[in-house]
Amino acid sequence: GQQVMQIPQYQHVQEGEDFTTYCNSSTTLSNIQWYKQRPGGHPVFLIQLVKSGEVKKQKRLTFQFGEAKKNSSLHITATQTTDVGTYFCAGPMSGGGADGLTFGKGTHLIIQP
Amino acid sequence: AAGVIQSPRHLIKEKRETATLKCYPIPRHDTVYWYQQGPGQDPQFLISFYEKMQSDKGSIPDRFSAQQFSDYHSELNMSSLELGDSALYFCASSLIAGTSAHIYNEQFFGPGTRLTVL
Repeated sequence: GQQVMQIPQYQHVQEGEDFTTYCNSSTTLSNIQWYKQRPGGHPVFLIQLVKSGEVKKQKRLTFQFGEAKKNSSLHITATQTTDVGTYFCAGPMSGGGADGLTFGKGTHLIIQP
Repeated sequence: AAGVIQSPRHLIKEKRETATLKCYPIPRHDTVYWYQQGPGQDPQFLISFYEKMQSDKGSIPDRFSAQQFSDYHSELNMSSLELGDSALYFCASSLIAGTSAHIYNEQFFGPGTRLTVL
């Protein structure tokens, strides 16, 4: 079945440093979504990328979708303590709109002030 | 803005008991999803419904069943509970948009139900 791999599993950074997490799918994805989950919280949608090579920015966050639609990355510039949490990438299981998502294992971002 | 509502927020059951989790999606959303998240794990997709019809099925055990009702709320029924069923259960809803070329279906998660099986 479809597998979504995400690295690194943990990332410790000093506040103000940059952070990047990478996501790789075993199959071509129709789209990729990114979610953030704070400790004790629920996943919160960040963005959805649907086009090959797509790049989207949200303030300090930059999201990329690979040309082959099998990989993606999330880059945060100048991290802040509010960025703490686990970042998950997720792809639809087959491509239909009501498909469940296959999540990566997530990257836990830990920020040292 | 209205969010996804789940009840109960916490549930404690004994082994072999049954449990029913409820989900009220965001108004006008047409799709509901159920996920199970173990401690330190990623969410695992269980089942989804589109316009009250079962749409997709993931790793849902045969002991579990779900349905979506005419008012769009959904229930996850869990029988013969096992210790390993202890987890956070999330419901999410979405409004599917876009074209056949590009489907947009961002999922809005509820706060979850924490199930503990003793």
